[in-house]
Amino acid sequence: AQSVTQLGSHVSVSEGALVLLRCNYSSSVPPYLFWYVQYPNQGLQLLLKYTSAATLVKGINGFEAEFKKSETSFHLTKPSAHMSDAAEYFCAVSERDDKIIFGKGTRLHILP
Amino acid sequence: GAGVSQSPSNKVTEKGKDVELRCDPISGHTALYWYRQSLGQGLEFLIYFQGNSAPDKSGLPSDRFSAERTGGSVSTLTIQRTQQEDSAVYLCASSLRRGFGGELFFGEGSRLTVL
Repeated sequence: AQSVTQLGSHVSVSEGALVLLRCNYSSSVPPYLFWYVQYPNQGLQLLLKYTSAATLVKGINGFEAEFKKSETSFHLTKPSAHMSDAAEYFCAVSERDDKIIFGKGTRLHILP
Repeated sequence: GAGVSQSPSNKVTEKGKDVELRCDPISGHTALYWYRQSLGQGLEFLIYFQGNSAPDKSGLPSDRFSAERTGGSVSTLTIQRTQQEDSAVYLCASSLRRGFGGELFFGEGSRLTVL
């Protein structure tokens, strides 16, 4: 069965610094991978997704993620953090037509 | 409506009572999911409906939890004999169709508090 591990329940970065949120997955077949974001007092929304096309995926708000099969990773990055990026980020995996399983989430704090 | 609608938005109940949570997905979306969100636990998968297929109930934590989806649209999640550990936000999401690499569209959630 598919699963997701997000390293670090809380990550703090300074405004303008690189954002790196780590996600490792387990899947018995080539997976679909997703990052969702939940801003304070808002619902979850899709940030980006990988569905076996390009391994470097660009999403909204300047975020991107790279699928690395050899490392079973799908880390989320943004070159320069903005205060508005403070939110909780969830990595998720799906084995094609199967259910979508989420990680426990990483709360991103932006320091002024 | 345009989005996923959940009701009630807040529910406070006493331990041992039954509760029903409702989800109205986006029209035309054949996939429907229930998740539970609690502090430190992320989004816990509960159940997944896809079209007319048998639902995937593998995430339901106990036999006190059940869900149905009538007519391929509205879904109800029922929790019988509620316990304090059932307190959480219950999220419903829908997706266009299987195999689409589908984006999930989430409702605002139903916050359940069991006293």
